[in-house]
Amino acid sequence: DAGITQSPRHKVTETGTPVTLRCHQTENHRYMYWYRQDPGHGLRLIHYSYGVKDTDKGEVSDGYSVSRSKTEDFLLTLESATSSQTSVYFCAISEGLVETQYFGPGTRLLVL
Amino acid sequence: AQSVAQPEDQVNVAEGNPLTVKCTYSVSGNPYLFWYVQYPNRGLQFLLKYITGDNLVKGSYGFEAEFNKSQTSFHLKKPSALVSDSALYFCAVRKLDDYKLSFGAGTTVTVRA
Repeated sequence: DAGITQSPRHKVTETGTPVTLRCHQTENHRYMYWYRQDPGHGLRLIHYSYGVKDTDKGEVSDGYSVSRSKTEDFLLTLESATSSQTSVYFCAISEGLVETQYFGPGTRLLVL
Repeated sequence: AQSVAQPEDQVNVAEGNPLTVKCTYSVSGNPYLFWYVQYPNRGLQFLLKYITGDNLVKGSYGFEAEFNKSQTSFHLKKPSALVSDSALYFCAVRKLDDYKLSFGAGTTVTVRA
C-alpha cells in the first residue's frame, strides 16, 4: 500500500462523539488526501493537503476538519460524529498535484 | 463538472474468458484516466493510467485499457481472466491540470472457476 498506514483500521463510536483518523506516509510526498467510500458513490474527496499546514476542502467536507503538522501525517477529525458519517475512509498520497494518487488500506468507521 | 459512469454494477465471467469492464467519462478538455482495483478489505491499488499518446495502455497484472476519445470511453480489458481477478474496479478521471479525481461507482467483477 505504497508506504501508507491508517489508524485505527476499524472503529465503532457513538453519535455526537469526536473521532480522529490518522494517515501516516513514509514516501515524503507533498500531497495527501482524505476520501470516503460509500456504496453507489465510488470515492469522494473530503479534504486534501498540499503541504504542512496547507489544506483545502473537497466535495464532501461538511462535518470534517483536517490538520497536517508534519509532512508524514494527515489527520481527519469528525468533530461530532453522525450516523451519515458511517463509511470507509481512505487516505491517498501523490508526489505532485497531478501525479498518480496511491491509497492506504482504509479505516472502517461505524457511528451508532 | 467532470464525471465517470461505470454502466455495469457487476460483471461475471468464466476463468480463461476475456474480461471487459466499461467506463465512460465526461470532462472539459483533455482527460487523465485511471483504473484502480480494490480487493476485499484492502485499499485501492493503481492498475494503469492514460495521459497522452498511444490509445492502448498496458498496466499491472495483464490488464490493459483502450482510450477512445470520440466515444469518451476508457474500457478495461484482460484477454484471459483469472479467479484472482475477482474484485471491485474503479475508473477515475481528472482534468489535465487539476488534482480533483472523480471516481465511478465501481464494478464488481466475479470470475468463476
